[in-house]
Amino acid sequence: EAGVVQSPRYKIIEKKQPVAFWCNPISGHNTLYWYLQNLGQGPELLIRYENEEAVDDSQLPKDRFSAERLKGVDSTLKIQPAELGDSAVYLCASSSGTASYNEQFFGPGTRLTVL
Amino acid sequence: AQTVTQSQPEMSVQEAETVTLSCTYDTSESDYYLFWYKQPPSRQMILVIRQEAYKQQNATENRFSVNFQKAAKSFSLKISDSQLGDAAMYFCAYRSAYRGTASKLTFGTGTRLQVTL
Repeated sequence: EAGVVQSPRYKIIEKKQPVAFWCNPISGHNTLYWYLQNLGQGPELLIRYENEEAVDDSQLPKDRFSAERLKGVDSTLKIQPAELGDSAVYLCASSSGTASYNEQFFGPGTRLTVL
Repeated sequence: AQTVTQSQPEMSVQEAETVTLSCTYDTSESDYYLFWYKQPPSRQMILVIRQEAYKQQNATENRFSVNFQKAAKSFSLKISDSQLGDAAMYFCAYRSAYRGTASKLTFGTGTRLQVTL
């Protein structure tokens, strides 16, 4: 079974440019998460989807970040415009439900460098 | 809000030896789950072991075991017979069992484990 797929794996952009990250969750997983992982830190939740609905986006900086999951499968996270402080790893995870015992499976992440 | 603290930024262990990684957490909830995740360099995070707070018995997965002290809010990971492939960042994480907040994982800052020959 394929795991969570993310692309690109690495992205280097100049500040003020837009950038987008793509995530394909494990087949059948209706819950999708985007996490931000700063260097030397643990991941922090940005947004959680249940099917196509964003049910927890309280930590998403909405002035420059946006996300969508149009058909309840793939998801895209966008930053526009990017700032130097956005340099980090962006992780996508999925689970088959939202109950505590449902394991979250993580993708390899996208490492963003903003110059 | 829940917090997770890992006070050991780096640990080192010799191959075949045993190492213990520490984790403490703070919560006012009585029902929750605790996890240890492993993140190898440039590779995805994988679940190592999970503990349910209402279970007194410590979880074990092959060479990995935990020491869960609920009253002390402590959750340490013991790796026995360490192997080179165990080298990675290890994250302790908390997850509430209550509906509405149940999905959110709260992570510690991680412990980088080195395994030497």
